[in-house]
Amino acid sequence: NAGVMQNPRHLVRRRGQEARLRCSPMKGHSHVYWYRQLPEEGLKFMVYLQKENIIDESGMPKERFSAEFPKEGPSILRIQQVVRGDSAAYFCASTGISRETQYFGPGTRLLVL
Amino acid sequence: GQQVMQIPQYQHVQEGEDFTTYCNSSTTLSNIQWYKQRPGGHPVFLIQLVKSGEVKKQKRLTFQFGEAKKNSSLHITATQTTDVGTYFCAGEVTGANSKLTFGKGITLSVRP
Repeated sequence: NAGVMQNPRHLVRRRGQEARLRCSPMKGHSHVYWYRQLPEEGLKFMVYLQKENIIDESGMPKERFSAEFPKEGPSILRIQQVVRGDSAAYFCASTGISRETQYFGPGTRLLVL
Repeated sequence: GQQVMQIPQYQHVQEGEDFTTYCNSSTTLSNIQWYKQRPGGHPVFLIQLVKSGEVKKQKRLTFQFGEAKKNSSLHITATQTTDVGTYFCAGEVTGANSKLTFGKGITLSVRP
């Protein structure tokens, strides 16, 4: 049973480019959470999605950031016109129907030059 | 907004010593979870505490949830070098869509 998968594991972008981060939840899980982690910081909640629905996006910056979880395929976190401050590790986590334990993926380390 | 605090952020112990760290929430929690993250790795779920005053043990690790459900502790008996990493607590508030608020974590180093 594969765990949560994220790709790419490392992503380098220049300022102004777009970054697309993908998350495939654990098999049988339909709830996905995205978190951002800055160096030596905890994880900051960004968005919670179910298939085809954004449930809670209270942690997502209003501009340049968007997330989706289509009926088919992985969840995608999209950052447009990246800036240096977007450099961070982005983790997704998935849960099943009970929404108890969150299983984290390996993360995508984004570096903006 | 809700805050979860873990102080200090770093602790160094000698192998074999005991270690205790605390987590405090500004609001009452429905449950609290603990995660461990190794350098360069991702958070790995350790435990979830739900009931007031609950105590759970995993080998040398003991987790406790406070009576008021606003604080928690993690105690490691006889630390080993394999215990190194950052330990995060994360609190969930009732009705918050299972959204977790993480503390900044405590990074434990163990001198052999």
